[in-house]
Amino acid sequence: NAGVTQTPKFRILKIGQSMTLQCTQDMNHNYMYWYRQDPGMGLKLIYYSVGAGITDKGEVPNGYNVSRSTTEDFPLRLELAAPSQTSVYFCASSPVLGRQYFGPGTRLTVT
Amino acid sequence: DQQVKQNSPSLSVQEGRISILNCDYTNSMFDYFLWYKKYPAEGPTFLISISSIKDKNEDGRFTVFLNKSAKHLSLHIVPSQPGDSAVYFCAVTHIKDDKIIFGKGTRLHILP
Repeated sequence: NAGVTQTPKFRILKIGQSMTLQCTQDMNHNYMYWYRQDPGMGLKLIYYSVGAGITDKGEVPNGYNVSRSTTEDFPLRLELAAPSQTSVYFCASSPVLGRQYFGPGTRLTVT
Repeated sequence: DQQVKQNSPSLSVQEGRISILNCDYTNSMFDYFLWYKKYPAEGPTFLISISSIKDKNEDGRFTVFLNKSAKHLSLHIVPSQPGDSAVYFCAVTHIKDDKIIFGKGTRLHILP
């Protein structure tokens, strides 16, 4: 099992560009999450999904969009990138609420 | 307002001694508590959890203590080893919620 995979590992965007961060899990988990971690800060929830076709906003959803068309995939879309979106992004999945399995992260810089 | 507070940004402990990491939460409705460990350039990994019906849970060198009246939990690592050097996140949730709330983390340095 690969667990939770994220691509790309690193990306530099110019202000105003768009991109999609990919997240895939092969554990058949219903719950999936996107977090961002800024330096010295904890993990802040951007969006989450409790199953295919269902998504909901977390604490910091502005500037992002998600979709969940399959159990396995939960891509995060950034439209009109801004410097404030420079961060490390983590995707996670869990079979039930509680223990989450995290991907290795995507380090994004917006300049 | 932070619902989960880890007031020590960093902690240094001698190898072989006990490491104690602390976490406070504000909402008495939280009933499930977790600790995650994170190495640089990796995602967090689950370490140990405890539900509100218990006040202690052990897993090898790791023990989590829960004091519901004080809204406080702590993670004890005994004995501390070099590989324990990492950032530790406390996380809380309610069993009927879909989300987990993370603290800001405590960086643990194990000194040789």
